[in-house]
Amino acid sequence: GQNIDQPTEMTATEGAIVQINCTYQTSGFNGLFWYQQHAGEAPTFLSYNVLDGLEEKGRFSSFLSRSKGYSYLLLKELQMKDSASYLCAVMHAGNNRKLIWGLGTSLAVNP
Amino acid sequence: ETGVTQTPRHLVMGMTNKKSLKCEQHLGHNAMYWYKQSAKKPLELMFVYSLEERVENNSVPSRFSPECPNSSHLFLHLHTLQPEDSALYLCASSQDEGEGTEAFFGQGTRLTVV
Repeated sequence: GQNIDQPTEMTATEGAIVQINCTYQTSGFNGLFWYQQHAGEAPTFLSYNVLDGLEEKGRFSSFLSRSKGYSYLLLKELQMKDSASYLCAVMHAGNNRKLIWGLGTSLAVNP
Repeated sequence: ETGVTQTPRHLVMGMTNKKSLKCEQHLGHNAMYWYKQSAKKPLELMFVYSLEERVENNSVPSRFSPECPNSSHLFLHLHTLQPEDSALYLCASSQDEGEGTEAFFGQGTRLTVV
């Protein structure tokens, strides 16, 4: 079957670093996305990984290991505005339009 | 306007009502999507349109009826809904070619069925 696992909730302190993990089991793989969703707002694209390794984009980085079915999103220098839900989604192989979504990780950044 | 716009933002309807959700994208994309987002459930893909043709229908009940008159507009027609259909309905668009094409989402319509 298809399965995406993420922690339900995380808390961190302003200025700190937090790592949000995502593990997946899918019948095919064509890349992994991370989205951020603030309460009551649209999900917004953060990153896309299809090759193993780390992709850095400002304060946010995303890592992928295809052999382990594992990804993480790393947020540095946390700010209060980073409090949001972080969604992991795997793109199904052979069908670029189909994404399998995780439940999301609700991150609370405290002062 | 830019991006993906959905109207209305909030909708309360009775089980016998008929209503429509509207989505408009100003990004020049040629694929559009309807998603359902419920509490404690992953995002559920409902419909996909590519170049105004429906290419995916993930076993959605017939009380949900999509319409895509052109590549910029997408509708979701609702009739005789059930209380369990209460959810956030998200529209998204993407450029339907290549790999890794991210989807741009609208802010959603919060639907409550009473």
